Amino acid sequence: LAKTTQPISMDSYEGQEVNITCSHNNIATNDYITWYQQFPSQGPRFIIQGYKTKVTNEVASLFIPADRKSSTLSLPRVSLSDTAVYYCLVGDSTGGFKTIFGAGTRLFVKA
Amino acid sequence: DADVTQTPRNRITKTGKRIMLECSQTKGHDRMYWYRQDPGLGLRLIYYSFDVKDINKGEISDGYSVSRQAQAKFSLSLESAIPNQTALYFCATRATTLNNEQFFGPGTRLTVL
Repeated sequence: LAKTTQPISMDSYEGQEVNITCSHNNIATNDYITWYQQFPSQGPRFIIQGYKTKVTNEVASLFIPADRKSSTLSLPRVSLSDTAVYYCLVGDSTGGFKTIFGAGTRLFVKA
Repeated sequence: DADVTQTPRNRITKTGKRIMLECSQTKGHDRMYWYRQDPGLGLRLIYYSFDVKDINKGEISDGYSVSRQAQAKFSLSLESAIPNQTALYFCATRATTLNNEQFFGPGTRLTVL
């Protein structure tokens, strides 16, 4: 399975856009890129998934360049409640998929 | 009602004791997972199951065993608990689709003294 690399932590202020980049140099052709959010003492929650280019939902956007060796999660106008750990995962969802969570990126949003 | 439930939510036990953590789901998913989380280390996969007859070891299966009693139930056992198994344990489920979305339970906080 491809490993991912993310910044350990990031700080932001309310109302700002936050971009968290994940590196996945060994991504395979069948791999998707998935992001999760985790609050303290809770299980992770799915945010967004993509394969290439751009994906947007009501929570976030995911930007994936053509070589797919990295991806950027974009959180528009963050609030204090977006303070959490964000995990980037890469894996094949067609079969034999198992999840490897890294340490994630701890985002701290300040007032 | 929660789709993925875990029992107990908190447990304190002593070294050498046998402990079972249970997970139940009402989502009808085939795939179920057990993870442990330690501060600063993210989640690490212990075991996973793609259906009732399929059990696979994850990154850190030593000291643990699992049982998939039914599609909806996946139990994690610590045969002889040790202090470094003190952690937060999560169960998760996933449908067999092209989406990588996993649904996590609320977690079990286990302390081994």
